[in-house]
Amino acid sequence: RKEVEQDPGPFNVPEGATVAFNCTYSNSASQSFFWYRQDCRKEPKLLMSVYSSGNEDGRFTAQLNRASQYISLLIRDSKLSDSATYLCVVNIFITGNQFYFGTGTSLTVIP
Amino acid sequence: DTGVSQDPRHKITKRGQNVTFRCDPISEHNRLYWYRQTLGQGPEFLTYFQNEAQLEKSRLLSDRFSAERPKGSFSTLEIQRTEQGDSAMYLCASSTPGVEQYFGPGTRLTVT
Repeated sequence: RKEVEQDPGPFNVPEGATVAFNCTYSNSASQSFFWYRQDCRKEPKLLMSVYSSGNEDGRFTAQLNRASQYISLLIRDSKLSDSATYLCVVNIFITGNQFYFGTGTSLTVIP
Repeated sequence: DTGVSQDPRHKITKRGQNVTFRCDPISEHNRLYWYRQTLGQGPEFLTYFQNEAQLEKSRLLSDRFSAERPKGSFSTLEIQRTEQGDSAMYLCASSTPGVEQYFGPGTRLTVT
């Protein structure tokens, strides 16, 4: 069983739409959570950390549900520049200090 | 540029050859990670250093792979007797404890 599972998509949405991605993790000992954005043939870049209380950064909102072991990312008012792959990442300290990445969810925002 | 750097950016090699990649982390980061990423997949953890100590190695890291970080600064990843299945993007990331990772641009390896 994979540590992190994501729906690979693709998600094709029109500009201005709201889109949500979910990610589930299998290890309840997971302690830190992140969303990264990866453009085609580029390195992953941190989009936002995910806190237990939820957090918002402009058009992006991240939520963590520890009971159900899932993380979500909501993008409001989608822009063409949001087109990318979004990677869900969990960090588990108990098994060492490994970061586990999902396979990523592909988003294309259409004009 | 004070980000993570990797060299080379691209490497084409013939099967059976050895290759070595270099990663220079952000200077104040004591943790350094190596990942491998293939098309359509997320990065897969290979190994991790805290300062010069290699603390973890993935099962993915066969005995043909070796990594070093001799002075706790830059790191090298060597692949011996390369195979076609080694073709991938090799990513390096660095961090300070408990904080998010920052990635370098990666080294794209093609084994022919």
